[in-house]
Amino acid sequence: AQSVTQLGSHVSVSEGALVLLRCNYSSSVPPYLFWYVQYPNQGLQLLLKYTSAATLVKGINGFEAEFKKSETSFHLTKPSAHMSDAAEYFCAVSDLGNEKLTFGTGTRLTIIP
Amino acid sequence: SAVISQKPSRDICQRGTSLTIQCQVDSQVTMMFWYRQQPGQSLTLIATANQGSEATYESGFVIDKFPISRPNLTFSTLTVSNMSPEDSSIYLCSVIERSYEQYFGPGTRLTVT
Repeated sequence: AQSVTQLGSHVSVSEGALVLLRCNYSSSVPPYLFWYVQYPNQGLQLLLKYTSAATLVKGINGFEAEFKKSETSFHLTKPSAHMSDAAEYFCAVSDLGNEKLTFGTGTRLTIIP
Repeated sequence: SAVISQKPSRDICQRGTSLTIQCQVDSQVTMMFWYRQQPGQSLTLIATANQGSEATYESGFVIDKFPISRPNLTFSTLTVSNMSPEDSSIYLCSVIERSYEQYFGPGTRLTVT
């Protein structure tokens, strides 16, 4: 069964600094990969998805992620952190032909003024 | 993207009682999902609800505990039956809109005392 591992349950970065949230997947077939963000007391919002097209995927709010098959990774980055980026971020995976999502344990991003 | 609403947004219930959570979508969708997010945890899929068929439950979840209805293409309910404090969680519904893009409702925050 496919799974994702998010390294770092808590990440703190200074405002204006690079954001890097790590996600590694385990799947026997090329997966579909997603990043979601959850703001306090809200549902999940889709940031971006990888579905076997371009390996560099751009999402909303200035975030992007790169699919690296050799490293089985799908790390999320943003060049310059903003205070409004403070939230919980979840990486998720699904297999081709199966639309059920398996989520990672999440990374709480804190922005330091 | 689809607009998804859930009722109630939050509730405090006594153990042994049941709560029915409603999920309403502003467009017709084939697949709907119900997830549970326990305090400080990631999301776990409870079941897939397709209109016109019985819900499909994931390992560890049973129909007697979490009965689901899907009377039409815009609505679903999840009932949490015979509740215990361990059922205190956020319950979220989601839908598939475009290919493999899953969108979530705002969630129902349940506290069982």
